[in-house]
Amino acid sequence: DQQVKQNSPSLSVQEGRISILNCDYTNSMFDYFLWYKKYPAEGPTFLISISSIKDKNEDGRFTVFLNKSAKHLSLHIVPSQPGDSAVYFCAASGNTNAGKSTFGDGTTLTVKP
Amino acid sequence: DGGITQSPKYLFRKEGQNVTLSCEQNLNHDAMYWYRQDPGQGLRLIYYSQIVNDFQKGDIAEGYSVSREKKESFPLTVTSAQKNPTAFYLCASSIQGGHTEAFFGQGTRLTVV
Repeated sequence: DQQVKQNSPSLSVQEGRISILNCDYTNSMFDYFLWYKKYPAEGPTFLISISSIKDKNEDGRFTVFLNKSAKHLSLHIVPSQPGDSAVYFCAASGNTNAGKSTFGDGTTLTVKP
Repeated sequence: DGGITQSPKYLFRKEGQNVTLSCEQNLNHDAMYWYRQDPGQGLRLIYYSQIVNDFQKGDIAEGYSVSREKKESFPLTVTSAQKNPTAFYLCASSIQGGHTEAFFGQGTRLTVV
């Protein structure tokens, strides 16, 4: 049973608009959540994270929102740029070692010029 | 520059042969991980190591083996017992303990024919 789900395999937005990527989880023991960005044939790179004690974390154009009661988090990218086109993975960790994470299947974001 | 190096980037092997994927890091991280990615899917944890000379099975360890004789190195052997070895393999490392992100290598694409 998949514990981290990204229900949208793909998302297409216009340059300058907002991109919203969603992630749901089922394991209540998860207390740290990360978003990674991945280009084809490369390893993922860390983008932004949030601890379960917070409901929002912002870093430049990227904001992650966490709704613990709904077991849902989302990544907002504003404004979206063509260089943001990549696969975005949501990951969740339930212990102190966040490198050992459970990943979603990813959402492919395409930002059109 | 600090980072994680995986080699080779592409690897071809005949069915029934064991093959070892290399992973080296100079980030001075205690924890290291091996993930597998299949098309359209997220990353699944094969093995992880939190300290030298110690490692634990992840979610899909069957058909794989690892060693951790040095802090910098965490090689993965894909044995002939692995039913579907063709995949993209990613090595990662992180600080041991605490909420922190993982740093990934560029990956090795293994194709078994």
